Amino acid sequence: DAEITQSPRHKITETGRQVTLACHQTWNHNNMFWYRQDLGHGLRLIHYSYGVQDTNKGEVSDGYSVSRSNTEDLPLTLESAASSQTSVYFCASSEEVNTEAFFGQGTRLTVV
Amino acid sequence: DAKTTQPTSMDCAEGRAANLPCNHSTISGNEYVYWYRQIHSQGPQYIIHGLKNNETNEMASLIITEDRKSSTLILPHATLRDTAVYYCIVRGNQGGKLIFGQGTELSVKP
Repeated sequence: DAEITQSPRHKITETGRQVTLACHQTWNHNNMFWYRQDLGHGLRLIHYSYGVQDTNKGEVSDGYSVSRSNTEDLPLTLESAASSQTSVYFCASSEEVNTEAFFGQGTRLTVV
Repeated sequence: DAKTTQPTSMDCAEGRAANLPCNHSTISGNEYVYWYRQIHSQGPQYIIHGLKNNETNEMASLIITEDRKSSTLILPHATLRDTAVYYCIVRGNQGGKLIFGQGTELSVKP
C-alpha cells in the first residue's frame, strides 16, 4: 500500500547543530508540506512544494529549508537548531486541492 | 485562503450525534471545506470535504449552508474513540496547502 513515512520518529540534538528530517511518500503526489506543532497548539505550515525543484515558504519558515530533487521526498533541514525549534514535525502530501492530504506520524524533535 | 472560526471545546454523550460547527464567512467560490481530526499527538486524519453540496461517508456527514459561509460536521453516533481535536479548514486552489486553526476539542463522555 502507498504510504507516507517520516524518519526519525524521535530525535534529540544540541543547539547549533544541523538536523535533517526525512519525509518519503509513495503516492507520487506533486504537493508536499511540512508543519510543526507545539504543545497545545494547532499545526503551522513551515514549507511546501508543488513539484520537483519547487519550494515555497510557509507561515514559520525562518531557520528551516527544504529541497525537492524528486517526487517522493521532501527533507526538512534545520540549519542551526535552536531550543525554540523543539516541536513535533508533520509531513503531508496530496495530489490536488480537491483530494485528501495524507499525514505522516510525526517526528518529535528536542533541541537541548 | 479564508479563515475559519470554531468553538474551542465541546462535549458529547457517547452514542449521540456530535455536531461540530464552523464559520467561514470569507470563503470564495472555488474553495473547499475540509475536516480533519487529530487524536493525541498522532498525524491529522482526513474525515471529509465538500465544495457546495452536503457530503456523507462512512465516518461523518458534512452540511454546508447554501451561502457557504458556515458548515457543520456530524458524527452520527459518537464513540469514546472520537475524542479528538477537530479542524475545519478552507482549502484554496494554491497547491492545496492546508492552513490549520486551533480546532475544536471534542470530548465524548460515557
